[in-house]
Amino acid sequence: NAGVTQTPKFQVLKTGQSMTLQCAQDMNHEYMSWYRQDPGMGLRLIHYSVGAGITDQGEVPNGYNVSRSTTEDFPLRLLSAAPSQTSVYFCASSWGQSTSYEQYFGPGTRLTVT
Amino acid sequence: AQKITQTQPGMFVQEKEAVTLDCTYDTSDQSYGLFWYKQPSSGEMIFLIYQGSYDEQNATEGRYSLNFQKARKSANLVISASQLGDSAMYFCAMRELPSGAGSYQLTFGKGTKLSVIP
Repeated sequence: NAGVTQTPKFQVLKTGQSMTLQCAQDMNHEYMSWYRQDPGMGLRLIHYSVGAGITDQGEVPNGYNVSRSTTEDFPLRLLSAAPSQTSVYFCASSWGQSTSYEQYFGPGTRLTVT
Repeated sequence: AQKITQTQPGMFVQEKEAVTLDCTYDTSDQSYGLFWYKQPSSGEMIFLIYQGSYDEQNATEGRYSLNFQKARKSANLVISASQLGDSAMYFCAMRELPSGAGSYQLTFGKGTKLSVIP
C-alpha cells in the first residue's frame, strides 16, 4: 500500500492564482481531512469528509474548497491564493469517525504564495 | 479556550534519560480519544500512541507511555531511555465531537520541540 499520497510536494503561487492540491489514499478509509501547519500553531483542520459525497468545514475553511467524488481522492482547491495561505498542507485519512481511529498522514505539500 | 495545551515549547533531555512532555485538554464530552504524534525534521507526521477516554490502563507502546489523568484532563507522554532519533516536534491531539459539528474532529496542540543531547 502507498498509504496517503499528496502532490505536489512543493508549489509557489502568485497572489490570485488558483490551484488544486491532490490527495489520495489506497486504504479504503472513509474519513479524510486536510490540515494546515503554520509555525507555532500546530495543525489546524481546514475541511474533512466522512465519505464520498459528504464534506464539511473545519476550523479554518475560508479560501478553500473540497469535494469527494470517490473514496480514494480528496482534493483541496485554493480559489484565489493569498500570502496568508503560505503554509504546509497535510492530508490525512482514517477508517472512520470513531474516537479511537488514528489518522494516517500524507507527506505534506509546502505552499508559498508571493 | 484552547482545547489542547502543550505548555513546553521546547525541552532538552540527556540521551538515555526519560522525559515527560505535558499535555492538557479541554472537553465536555465523555467519549474522546487522545493521540500523540511525532514530527521529525523531515516533516512527516508519525503516530506514536493512543488513549481512549474510557481506558482505565495507561497506554504503552515500546518506549512510549501515556500518563492519563482523566480528572485533571492531562495526557502526558513519557519517553523512556531517550535516543538521538527522538529529537523532533511532538504533538498532542484529541479526537472528539465538537458542539454543533457533524463529525468527530482531531484538534492538535501547538507542539513541543524535544532535543536529545548526547
